Amino acid sequence: AQSVTQLDSQVPVFEEAPVELRCNYSSSVSVYLFWYVQYPNQGLQLLLKYLSGSTLVKGINGFEAEFNKSQTSFHLRKPSVHISDTAEYFCAVSDGRGSQGNLIFGKGTKLSVKP
Amino acid sequence: NAGVTQTPKFQVLKTGQSMTLQCAQDMNHNSMYWYRQDPGMGLRLIYYSASEGTTDKGEVPNGYNVSRLNKREFSLRLESAAPSQTSVYFCASTPSGVSYNEQFFGPGTRLTVL
Repeated sequence: AQSVTQLDSQVPVFEEAPVELRCNYSSSVSVYLFWYVQYPNQGLQLLLKYLSGSTLVKGINGFEAEFNKSQTSFHLRKPSVHISDTAEYFCAVSDGRGSQGNLIFGKGTKLSVKP
Repeated sequence: NAGVTQTPKFQVLKTGQSMTLQCAQDMNHNSMYWYRQDPGMGLRLIYYSASEGTTDKGEVPNGYNVSRLNKREFSLRLESAAPSQTSVYFCASTPSGVSYNEQFFGPGTRLTVL
């Protein structure tokens, strides 16, 4: 069964500093990976996804993630964060059963951006 | 397009009361899901429906029932609420005919059971 590990439960960072949120998944023959963001008191919205092709994926709000098959990782990065990036971020992997299946979510990383 | 909508947004129940959480999507998606979110636990799947007329248990189904009323609507029922069911509940949906299960989420229902 697929699993997802988000290595940091909380990441504090100062405004305009770079940030990396780490995500590792259990290996599979084919894998689709996602990052979702949840702003306070809101639902989850898709930040970016990796389906195939280029291992560097760009998303909304200046975020990007790199798919690394050998390390089974899909870390999320942003070169310069803003106060408005304060949110909880979830990494997810498809369980391989397509639209009949599910997403497996990590436990989330709370990003706190301080002025 | 409203996307995925959930009602109510907030609810307070007493132990033993029942209630139904409603979810609807207007994107013609086949698959729909119910999750609960608790601090430090991420999202845990309660039930899902891969298509109209089918439902399956997820990771934490005990204490819940679901109904896929039609393609648009998927409701979650708590027959006898318990304090352990205090949580934020999210509904989600996925388009049909795709291999990668990208999910679209509603805004959530915040439930407190006293």
